[in-house]
Amino acid sequence: LAKTTQPISMDSYEGQEVNITCSHNNIATNDYITWYQQFPSQGPRFIIQGYKTKVTNEVASLFIPADRKSSTLSLPRVSLSDTAVYYCLVGDMNSGGYQKVTFGIGTKLQVIP
Amino acid sequence: DTEVTQTPKHLVMGMTNKKSLKCEQHMGHRAMYWYKQKAKKPPELMFVYSYEKLSINESVPSRFSPECPNSSLLNLHLHALQPEDSALYLCASSRTSGVKGGELFFGEGSRLTVL
Repeated sequence: LAKTTQPISMDSYEGQEVNITCSHNNIATNDYITWYQQFPSQGPRFIIQGYKTKVTNEVASLFIPADRKSSTLSLPRVSLSDTAVYYCLVGDMNSGGYQKVTFGIGTKLQVIP
Repeated sequence: DTEVTQTPKHLVMGMTNKKSLKCEQHMGHRAMYWYKQKAKKPPELMFVYSYEKLSINESVPSRFSPECPNSSLLNLHLHALQPEDSALYLCASSRTSGVKGGELFFGEGSRLTVL
């Protein structure tokens, strides 16, 4: 059972780059690493997904080392609107071959003016 | 259309009531999910439907009864709930439920209060 560990909270000033690291020591060969963002009273929103090395899209970058036991979400130049909870997820197959997408505790990011 | 629509947005019910939450998507996704989220906690997986068949039930009490009438719709029937069942209920969908099933698209949730 792939489990994730991330910091409970982080603070950052506006305009700074924020890096949130997630540990997933028991990641399986087939598992992808996915990050979601959630604002209060809204559903989570997909940010980025990767398998290995580096993935970049218009909002974030995801760095995954060769051993895949951790990953780092990088948010460039955060703004106040990036204040949210960020979840790191690792795909988790049950015996029937279906993916159980389970959320860890998440990291509450507070962006300060 | 990349939306998952949930209705109602808010629901208040008594412990003897029967109500339903509804979820709809028109993205052609074949996997649909129900999550429950309590305040300041992460979403907890309840059910997964794959190709309209229930594939995962995370030991959810029988007072929650899911139904997938077709590939676009997902319902959650509620009966004899307890006050501790009050939470935000989130519906999500993805292309498939496999490892490479793609990202989950979430609805805005239905805020349930059980009196």
